[in-house]
Amino acid sequence: DAGVIQSPRHEVTEMGQEVTLRCKPISGHDYLFWYRQTMMRGLELLIYFNNNVPIDDSGMPEDRFSAKMPNASFSTLKIQPSEPRDSAVYFCASSFRIYGYTFGSGTRLTVV
Amino acid sequence: AQTVTQSQPEMSVQEAETVTLSCTYDTSESDYYLFWYKQPPSRQMILVIRQEAYKQQNATENRFSVNFQKAAKSFSLKISDSQLGDAAMYFCAYSRAGTYKYIFGTGTRLKVLA
Repeated sequence: DAGVIQSPRHEVTEMGQEVTLRCKPISGHDYLFWYRQTMMRGLELLIYFNNNVPIDDSGMPEDRFSAKMPNASFSTLKIQPSEPRDSAVYFCASSFRIYGYTFGSGTRLTVV
Repeated sequence: AQTVTQSQPEMSVQEAETVTLSCTYDTSESDYYLFWYKQPPSRQMILVIRQEAYKQQNATENRFSVNFQKAAKSFSLKISDSQLGDAAMYFCAYSRAGTYKYIFGTGTRLKVLA
């Protein structure tokens, strides 16, 4: 298994632009999570899905953030419009029940 | 609200020695899970070990073991025979049973000295 695959690995964009982060979970995993990691706030859960259905999006900071999971093998996190304070590492993780997350390699987003 | 505290921002250990990383948590729940994750410079978050709260036996995975003290709400990680590849940030995480949401601590940076 190739693990959780995230793309792109790095993204640099200008303030105001739309950014789309992508994630392919491990086949057979029924949960998918989006986390954001910053020095100031550590690891924060943004949203998670169960069987492609969003369960808890209370961590999504603003309406500028949206996430979708159209099928079991793909999810996106979109920021529109992006702002410099969105700069962070964004992780996608998947799990089968509570056995433990498998994280992707993360996307380092820089908004200038 | 549940919280996870890692009071050691940084630790150092000599190669081949043993080191213990501390983690405490606060919860009123009785059924939960605890995890240790490793984040090397490559940025990948790697699951090191997990512990179910209902199990009294401490989890072990090769050179990694935990000391789970439920009453004290303490969950420390012991790394034996430390290797240079163990150098990383280590995060403790808590998850209430049935939620699948993790609450992470702020991390401990472990340096391994040759």
